[in-house]
Amino acid sequence: GQNIDQPTEMTATEGAIVQINCTYQTSGFNGLFWYQQHAGEAPTFLSYNVLDGLEEKGRFSSFLSRSKGYSYLLLKELQMKDSASYLCAVIGMNSGGYQKVTFGIGTKLQVIP
Amino acid sequence: DAGVIQSPRHEVTEMGQEVTLRCKPISGHNSLFWYRQTMMRGLELLIYFNNNVPIDDSGMPEDRFSAKMPNASFSTLKIQPSEPRDSAVYFCASSFLGGVNSYEQYFGPGTRLTVT
Repeated sequence: GQNIDQPTEMTATEGAIVQINCTYQTSGFNGLFWYQQHAGEAPTFLSYNVLDGLEEKGRFSSFLSRSKGYSYLLLKELQMKDSASYLCAVIGMNSGGYQKVTFGIGTKLQVIP
Repeated sequence: DAGVIQSPRHEVTEMGQEVTLRCKPISGHNSLFWYRQTMMRGLELLIYFNNNVPIDDSGMPEDRFSAKMPNASFSTLKIQPSEPRDSAVYFCASSFLGGVNSYEQYFGPGTRLTVT
């Protein structure tokens, strides 16, 4: 099966940097996503990592270490609008041999002035 | 593009009633996903289709749930009979598997289902 762990809540200050960690266990790993979800809205895609290393996209960066089953999402120059839940999701293989996407419970980030 | 369209946006029904949720994926996408989101369990994949064919329905909770995709532009998720524990937000998402960003899924606005 697949298991994903991420902190349930975090608080950070406007203008600061925050790192949201995600650890996972899966068979047949084929990539990791980060999605952002504002309250009452649908998730929106942020990043996709399949190889080790850092992917940077503006204020957001995502890192992956496949050997450690670990990823983080780094948010720089935090803005109030970054207050949202951040979902880590892994593509693995289920017992039936199909690729399957499994989402973590999400980390609720609150940005304070 | 209008994005993924879901209807209804809100549904309140009584236990035992049949519920049908509808989804129109983004034109040109070849994969469609149905998810359920609750506070306790987060976002769970129920079923996904590729080229209108169900590929993996291992996430469908039980026989009360069924999903169809009769053509590339329409899918339904049906719950019969509905139970209070089915109350959740149901999201439909689509993507184009085989493209540059194969795994970027576009989510619809969701259907908030309440079963009393």
